[in-house]
Order: sequence, then C-alpha cells, then structure tokens
Amino acid sequence: QVQLQESGPGLVKPSETLSLTCVVAGYSITSGYYWGWVRQAPGKGLQWIGHMYHSGTVYYDPSLRSRVTISVDTSRNQFSLKVTSVTAADTAVYYCARLGVIGGRFNYWGQGTLVTVSS
Amino acid sequence: FMLTQPHSVSESPGKTVTISCTRNSGSIAKYYVQWYQQRPGSSPTTVIYEDNQRPSGVPDRFSGSIDSSSNSASLTISGLKTEDEADYYCQSYDDNFWVFGGGTKLTVL
Repeated sequence: QVQLQESGPGLVKPSETLSLTCVVAGYSITSGYYWGWVRQAPGKGLQWIGHMYHSGTVYYDPSLRSRVTISVDTSRNQFSLKVTSVTAADTAVYYCARLGVIGGRFNYWGQGTLVTVSS
Repeated sequence: FMLTQPHSVSESPGKTVTISCTRNSGSIAKYYVQWYQQRPGSSPTTVIYEDNQRPSGVPDRFSGSIDSSSNSASLTISGLKTEDEADYYCQSYDDNFWVFGGGTKLTVL
C-alpha cells in the first residue's frame, strides 16, 4: 500500500522560506510516476503547485514558478517542496501526491499539513 | 487554460445530479479529465479517472463523460445518498500544466 506523509513547520514568518518533505512508503520513487504538491487555502479550492519525475523533469504552476522548487531524494525515498518569500497568501494545507505519467491522475495523496504564514 | 465548475449544486436523496466542468481553451477530449471527491478535513479521493473510469470501490452510481461540442466534462451521480455530500473537483492537464476546477459543493437535502 502506497503511503505519503508530509512533514515540516506549521508556522512560517512572512518573507521566509516554507520547506516541506514528503516521505513515501510502500513504493520506490525511482520506479516511476510523478511526485508533486497541491495546496488548498482555507475555504478555497485545490491548486496544483508542481511535480517532478525522479530523473529530474519538473513542472511548475507558472504563477509560482519563480518561488518554488521541488526536489527528490531517492536515497531516502522522499521529495521536498520549498517556497521562498512567503506571504499570508501562501497559508494553506499542503498535500503531497503521486501522479500518473499517463492520464495525469493524482492517485495517492498525503493527509495534508497546514502551513500558516504569520509573524 | 482554466476549468470552470458551478460553485454549488443541491438535490434530494435518490435523485440524479450532474456537475459540469468546462475547459476554456484546448480540446477537452485531448487530455484526460479526473474527478475528485473531498469531504471536510480529508484529502481528495478519485471518483472518476481518465474521463469515465471508476476506481475500484467507487459505486457505479458515479459516472463521467466528455462532450466535445461544449468542450466540457460531466460527473453524474445517480441515486444520491446523504454520504455523497462533499466538494467535487475536476482536474485535467496539457503538455506542461495541470489544473483543478474551482470545485462544486454538492448538498444532498
């Protein structure tokens, strides 16, 4: 059974960097699929942030591209998200997810972690 | 591109409801559409993938379709149950971009 678990600080100060990690259990990141992030601001809809393949191919939402980095650590079977220069608008539940390479489906999700941007 | 959904729909138990998802540019038929159900406080789960496929465990009351003439996708839920009350999101992509619709709140009353 594939399981994803997000971890990271729940509170980040404005202008600082948000960093989250997603540990994958039950499946090797190098065996295929994309690995990515989706966020959901309080009371709002889902927003795709970006995803990458273990070999390095990466895709980002153009509106976030200048501030976002997704990376994969195959030795630890985990992947990470960094968002720089955060503001209150980055306050959201952040989900990590596995995406199908064919079909574009988000087929496994983490439970989500709330990150609040506040001083 | 964007995917546009109605903000909310409501229907009575036992009835049928259809939620639309309109793509504003690019062909709806060229890239698969997925539908996710999200209950409060929970992660999304797939109810339809690749336009009209149901994951195992999703009842056949849920169905998906594509209409090229209106460039839209639809999620139909028949025999509504109170447990179907949730937010529903469509999702699709193109060569470099993935997007979710704004979500539709389904109320079963």
